Amino acid sequence: GNSVTQMEGPVTLSEEAFLTINCTYTATGYPSLFWYVQYPGEGLQLLLKATKADDKGSNKGFEATYRKETTSFHLEKGSVQVSDSAVYFCAVARRDDKIIFGKGTRLHILP
Amino acid sequence: EAGVVQSPRYKIIEKKQPVAFWCNPISGHNTLYWYLQNLGQGPELLIRYENEEAVDDSQLPKDRFSAERLKGVDSTLKIQPAELGDSAVYLCASLRGSTDTQYFGPGTRLTVL
Repeated sequence: GNSVTQMEGPVTLSEEAFLTINCTYTATGYPSLFWYVQYPGEGLQLLLKATKADDKGSNKGFEATYRKETTSFHLEKGSVQVSDSAVYFCAVARRDDKIIFGKGTRLHILP
Repeated sequence: EAGVVQSPRYKIIEKKQPVAFWCNPISGHNTLYWYLQNLGQGPELLIRYENEEAVDDSQLPKDRFSAERLKGVDSTLKIQPAELGDSAVYLCASLRGSTDTQYFGPGTRLTVL
């Protein structure tokens, strides 16, 4: 079945630092890939997605590229802010199958 | 448009008591999911509905958990009786038609004492 492995946290960075959160997946066929973000006390919010190889999803300064050759979907941001502190989940899904989440990476941004 | 609505947001009960959670999906979303999220983990699927039909309930512990979506819109998830290990966040999500993006509600945080 499908699975997702993402880097363990917590990740602690200073404001304006460069962020990378690694995510690799295993899946059959051609799934879509997602990053969700969960702020304290809230549900998951879709941050970005990519539906096919070489697609780049982007939102709020975050980016991730669907790399089929390395089965990866790493999340990046050039300059993080304190407000980016949250838990980030990588996920894989096909329309006719359930979504599989990674365990999440907690991000702390220090002012 | 309004997002996925869940209630209550928080629930504290004693073990062996029953509890129910309610979800109202985004209007027009025919697929509805219930997930369990333990602390420090990603959500795990409990049950998926296509309209009023449960199409995947393989992960639902049917000895104590039940769910329904009678008119293909709102859904209720019930636990009876609750156990200490059921303490978690219960998330509801919905999806429209042939798309692949699920939208999540804020969740219900259950604490079983």
